[in-house]
Amino acid sequence: DTAVSQTPKYLVTQMGNDKSIKCEQNLGHDTMYWYKQDSKKFLKIMFSYNNKELIINETVPNRFSPKSPDKAHLNLHINSLELGDSAVYFCASSLGTWNSYGYTFGSGTRLTVV
Amino acid sequence: AQTVTQSQPEMSVQEAETVTLSCTYDTSENNYYLFWYKQPPSRQMILVIRQEAYKQQNATENRFSVNFQKAAKSFSLKISDSQLGDTAMYFCACQSNTGNQFYFGTGTSLTVIP
Repeated sequence: DTAVSQTPKYLVTQMGNDKSIKCEQNLGHDTMYWYKQDSKKFLKIMFSYNNKELIINETVPNRFSPKSPDKAHLNLHINSLELGDSAVYFCASSLGTWNSYGYTFGSGTRLTVV
Repeated sequence: AQTVTQSQPEMSVQEAETVTLSCTYDTSENNYYLFWYKQPPSRQMILVIRQEAYKQQNATENRFSVNFQKAAKSFSLKISDSQLGDTAMYFCACQSNTGNQFYFGTGTSLTVIP
């Protein structure tokens, strides 16, 4: 069983489109995250939810909107996609907001905007 | 804010040899966790090893060990008996007990040469 699953794994879309990436975890964790990894492999946090409550909302364009219907799911919706949005997006989860076990990551979604 | 610095963008090592990846961090907190994650070409982020700052003993996981120097804020990763499967990007990360997120370094790309 996959612990943190993201769909889709690959997404190629045209500029201006709206797309969503879904994330689900079956670990019983209560905190979930979205990270963006750029072309230089730098990992930057975008959002974090703890028990469906938004606790981290970094400076990202408001075209990006996270949604957490329950603590096992955290989806990312992106409006009006731009070329600069091309990146790998990682979902992750953890037990609480601070623990020694770290994050469990999904396998990432490679988004390519053309 | 915390910062994590990995000063070696790329490294290589002969198979079966030992290699050390450097990481320094900056935090004003007394209590924090440190992690090394591995990202092979498959893109999956895999936890390699973790260290609790209040523990003086260096963490070890099979061929992976750390040299944790708290006063110097240094957290290097040693890989012994390097294997081809160790070829990957390695990220150092820090999380304090007052933060809800990890701070990642910029990564070190390690190539194991047969």
